[in-house]
Amino acid sequence: QVQLVQSGTEVKKPGASVKVSCRTSGYTFNTYYIHWVRQAPGQGLEWMGIINPSGDITNYSQKFRDRVTMTSDTSTSTVYMEFSSLRSEDTAVYYCARGNYGSGSYGALDYWGQGTLVTVSS
Amino acid sequence: IVLTQSPGTLSLSPGERATLSCRTSQSISSIFLAWYQQKPGQAPRLLIYGASNRAPGIPDRFSGSGSGTDFTLTISRLEPEDLAVYYCQQYGNAPRTFGQGTKVEIK
Repeated sequence: QVQLVQSGTEVKKPGASVKVSCRTSGYTFNTYYIHWVRQAPGQGLEWMGIINPSGDITNYSQKFRDRVTMTSDTSTSTVYMEFSSLRSEDTAVYYCARGNYGSGSYGALDYWGQGTLVTVSS
Repeated sequence: IVLTQSPGTLSLSPGERATLSCRTSQSISSIFLAWYQQKPGQAPRLLIYGASNRAPGIPDRFSGSGSGTDFTLTISRLEPEDLAVYYCQQYGNAPRTFGQGTKVEIK
């Protein structure tokens, strides 16, 4: 079965960086793009960006472009999202999700990771 | 593209029909409109893609419709487990954007 398993809870100080992993299994990794979406406490969903399986195509939301880097490791079917210069307002649950039902990067998000809580606090 | 959902909260009894609206700030192709359900403490779940196609395993009481700038998610007969926040998303333009959500409460 398709699974996206994310790394565990992180607590970071303002100005630090965090790297969240998303290990996939149960499907052909090279076929589907991976998206990253975050959700601040009590708030809605916010799309951060997308990466293709080989890692050579990324598209970041302009809001995060200066601080986010997404990478892919095809040998382990794992995608990473690194977020730098963290602020208290970046406290959120970060999700990876697989894009499907569309060609290339144009997919709805059919499978989601369990989420990774990142808390930014001094 | 801004997505505006209404109402903010919907409070209905089991067996009633729920109609959730999603309006986009500019016309989009219906093939790029999705609906998600998020229950408390869980990751979102895909319900509808391409405006009207149910994702695998989604009960047929969930249906989607619409075109242009106006889209609708209908839950034909509410069940207690439908308590959740529902989000629409457009995925044809960058950045992909979500609506702010509609909370469905069960009386």
